Amino acid sequence: DTGVSQNPRHKITKRGQNVTFRCDPISEHNRLYWYRQTLGQGPEFLTYFQNEAQLEKSRLLSDRFSAERPKGSFSTLEIQRTEQGDSAMYLCASSLWGGETQYFGPGTRLLVL
Amino acid sequence: KNQVEQSPQSLIILEGKNCTLQCNYTVSPFSNLRWYKQDTGRGPVSLTIMTFSENTKSNGRYTATLDADTKQSSLHITASQLSDSASYICVVTEGGGADGLTFGKGTHLIIQP
Repeated sequence: DTGVSQNPRHKITKRGQNVTFRCDPISEHNRLYWYRQTLGQGPEFLTYFQNEAQLEKSRLLSDRFSAERPKGSFSTLEIQRTEQGDSAMYLCASSLWGGETQYFGPGTRLLVL
Repeated sequence: KNQVEQSPQSLIILEGKNCTLQCNYTVSPFSNLRWYKQDTGRGPVSLTIMTFSENTKSNGRYTATLDADTKQSSLHITASQLSDSASYICVVTEGGGADGLTFGKGTHLIIQP
């Protein structure tokens, strides 16, 4: 399967714990995006990378959130001291260049108890 | 503020019937408009992409239209199938090099047998 993959698919954690999600984009894609989606809403932009450089962060990305793409390939999104409001689907997408079609992964569904 | 509004919020139709979903946007400058299909619990999948000069584009039973003057788009589904049950998300890309994406909240479509 050469699409975008995300792990884990589901994560249940207790409030205050840290969680880390991984995204593996389509191999030749330079752009990698992270989105958050709550029930009944469209995806909300969190951040994106051009190769290994993080070029933009949404104000939704509080200081508890950090994302990395160290070698310009896979990316990780870490949430520290999780809160119940962090419960959502976290989507990763990649594209060849900016403005090109973004291909989404299956998402990681996070539930914070 | 860039906005994408979709209507209806949800829609239920019988299998075999046609339906039309609407998308109005205020994104400026405009680069392109995409329709995505998102099955429950999965990431969005691109259906069509339309630029300023394109009025209509088809992908199988899906036909998208774009009126860049009125900033409106529609997605018409012909001869609906049970597998069309999903959320349909309208996404507008900002032009001028910003590459910003604005997502609509989606239309939740249910096809009943």
